Amino acid sequence: GENVEQHPSTLSVQEGDSAVIKCTYSDSASNYFPWYKQELGKGPQLIIDIRSNVGEKKDQRIAVTLNKTAKHFSLHITETQPEDSAVYFCAASQPFGNEKLTFGTGTRLTIIP
Amino acid sequence: DTGVSQDPRHKITKRGQNVTFRCDPISEHNRLYWYRQTLGQGPEFLTYFQNEAQLEKSRLLSDRFSAERPKGSFSTLEIQRTEQGDSAMYLCASSFGTADTQYFGPGTRLTVL
Repeated sequence: GENVEQHPSTLSVQEGDSAVIKCTYSDSASNYFPWYKQELGKGPQLIIDIRSNVGEKKDQRIAVTLNKTAKHFSLHITETQPEDSAVYFCAASQPFGNEKLTFGTGTRLTIIP
Repeated sequence: DTGVSQDPRHKITKRGQNVTFRCDPISEHNRLYWYRQTLGQGPEFLTYFQNEAQLEKSRLLSDRFSAERPKGSFSTLEIQRTEQGDSAMYLCASSFGTADTQYFGPGTRLTVL
C-alpha cells in the first residue's frame, strides 16, 4: 500500500518568514495530494490540494508543489502569522477504489512572534 | 453550520464496555469515511461507505468494530468490549463523490480506562 513520509516533524519560524514542509510518497499511482491543518482538539481542515496533472498551485500565502518523477510534494507558507501555528498533515490518495487518504505523520509548526 | 458533525465529542469508558459514535456528513455527500488518529500520528483509514453500502474495511478494524450507514445519511461506529488500545480520536469525513475533497468533522475523543 501507499506510504507517505513527512519532514520535518517540528518547525519553528519567525513571524513573517516562510515555512516549507516536505512529503514523499511511494505509490506512483497516487494522483491527489491534499494538505490539512489541525488545531488542538479539532478535526483536520483542508487548506490546499493538488492533483497530478499540475505541478504547482497557489492560494494567497499558501502554495503546493508536486514533483511526480521524484514522488514528492511540498507545502510553502509565506509571510507566516501566529495563527499559522498548528499541526500540518500531507496526504495522498489514488484515483480508483475508495480513494482513502494515506496521511503523513504531521509537522508541528510554531510561529515565533 | 453545514459541516460534518460528530457526537459525542468526548467519551470516557471503562475497559470492556461498548461505545457508539455518530457522524452526520455534509448534506448530499454520498461518501463517508471513518479514520482513527492516535496521539502524534496522522489519521489512519478504517472504513468507508458509498451511500448505505460499506465498501471497504481496513485491517485495523477488528471484529469488535462495526459501522453502519442505514439510510445513506448518518453513520454510526460501534466498538464492543473496549480495550485501552482503542483510546484515540475517531474522525469522520465525507465527500460528494469520486475524486472529491474529503471534509472532516471535529472528531470523537475516546478514552478507555
